[in-house]
Amino acid sequence: DARVTQTPRHKVTEMGQEVTMRCQPILGHNTVFWYRQTMMQGLELLAYFRNRAPLDDSGMPKDRFSAEMPDATLATLKIQPSEPRDSAVYFCASRISGANVLTFGAGSRLTVL
Amino acid sequence: DAKTTQPNSMESNEEEPVHLPCNHSTISGTDYIHWYRQLPSQGPEYVIHGLTSNVNNRMASLAIAEDRKSSTLILHRATLRDAAVYYCILSYSGAGSYQLTFGKGTKLSVIP
Repeated sequence: DARVTQTPRHKVTEMGQEVTMRCQPILGHNTVFWYRQTMMQGLELLAYFRNRAPLDDSGMPKDRFSAEMPDATLATLKIQPSEPRDSAVYFCASRISGANVLTFGAGSRLTVL
Repeated sequence: DAKTTQPNSMESNEEEPVHLPCNHSTISGTDYIHWYRQLPSQGPEYVIHGLTSNVNNRMASLAIAEDRKSSTLILHRATLRDAAVYYCILSYSGAGSYQLTFGKGTKLSVIP
């Protein structure tokens, strides 16, 4: 089965450090989403891209978060500087534009001490 | 965004059918009804989606009310592996926009 691959699966870091999470969407999928999941807020949409262009990043704290797609096979989510409240599981998902199925990765669990 | 309402939790016996309800009284004509599920420690997984007609696939069936203000996800024979949080989501797909906004979902427990 085709998969969305996320790295790292787990990351523990100290407050103030830069964190970069990576996502490899399914080959041929041109729309990529970043979600964050916490116990309190559930699953929140942070940003999404189509054909590598950002379409909506209104869910993302702009002062410390940034999302990019350097190429069609890689999406990145960067937090700088990280804070304890950023501790969460971050999911990447992808789809083909026009399709109604989103495929999620296994997530990156971030702990900021 | 149109909202959905689901029970917080449900229980089912193994090998019994499960009916998971979802209310979406403010649904618009272009909103699709999607169901995803999230098993423990995994990412959400697509289950099924529909617009107006009932839908069946290898995982489940989706029954949509005639007025589209509610729908029911049917698992025909629950297994222990079906224990998960099930999300009912409406999506708008138009004007170049496509988003899925997840609510709290229904936590399904399957009793052996």
